[in-house]
Amino acid sequence: SQTIHQWPATLVQPVGSPLSLECTVEGTSNPNLYWYRQAAGRGLQLLFYSVGIGQISSEVPQNLSASRPQDRQFILSSKKLLLSDSGFYLCAWSVQDEKLFFGSGTQLSVL
Amino acid sequence: GESVGLHLPTLSVQEGDNSIINCAYSNSASDYFIWYKQESGKGPQFIIDIRSNMDKRQGQRVTVLLNKTVKHLSLQIAATQPGDSAVYFCAENMGTGRRALTFGSGTRLQVQP
Repeated sequence: SQTIHQWPATLVQPVGSPLSLECTVEGTSNPNLYWYRQAAGRGLQLLFYSVGIGQISSEVPQNLSASRPQDRQFILSSKKLLLSDSGFYLCAWSVQDEKLFFGSGTQLSVL
Repeated sequence: GESVGLHLPTLSVQEGDNSIINCAYSNSASDYFIWYKQESGKGPQFIIDIRSNMDKRQGQRVTVLLNKTVKHLSLQIAATQPGDSAVYFCAENMGTGRRALTFGSGTRLQVQP
């Protein structure tokens, strides 16, 4: 069966520090991969999606970047975090743009 | 732009009652819809989906209804239980080649014992 792993679960970082969140998927090949951000009590905002290795599409201009070095690995990064980067970050995967399966999320607090 | 939205931000029901969560969408090109349940501090969980060539689909204790005429989607939960307390999101695939779902802002369901 397919599983998705996302870590860390929580992260507290100072403003200006770098960020690296990692997500891996098991049990499927060539999935579409996604990074979403969710502000407290709000909906999901799509940040990046990828349809293959090295293929990244950005949905909104921001202080973040994404990379897909391997088929089932998706990384969210920042060189210098801003206060506004705080939020709940969710990785997800799908096959053929159908239903998304989400990871457990990373709660990022930038102080 | 076109988007998915929800009528009620918070819905409070008594345990054992049926719950109905509504969602309005404005993109007539949307051809696939999903309901997700998100518990506090966790990622959204898939509940049920429906394609635009269907009006109704049933799962275990849940039913999704799609009214394309008025662009309305609803999730019905039968015999609501305390474990159903969560935020529920509808999502649409707009069928424009954009490879992702668009999510509504969510409805919080509170089940009173």
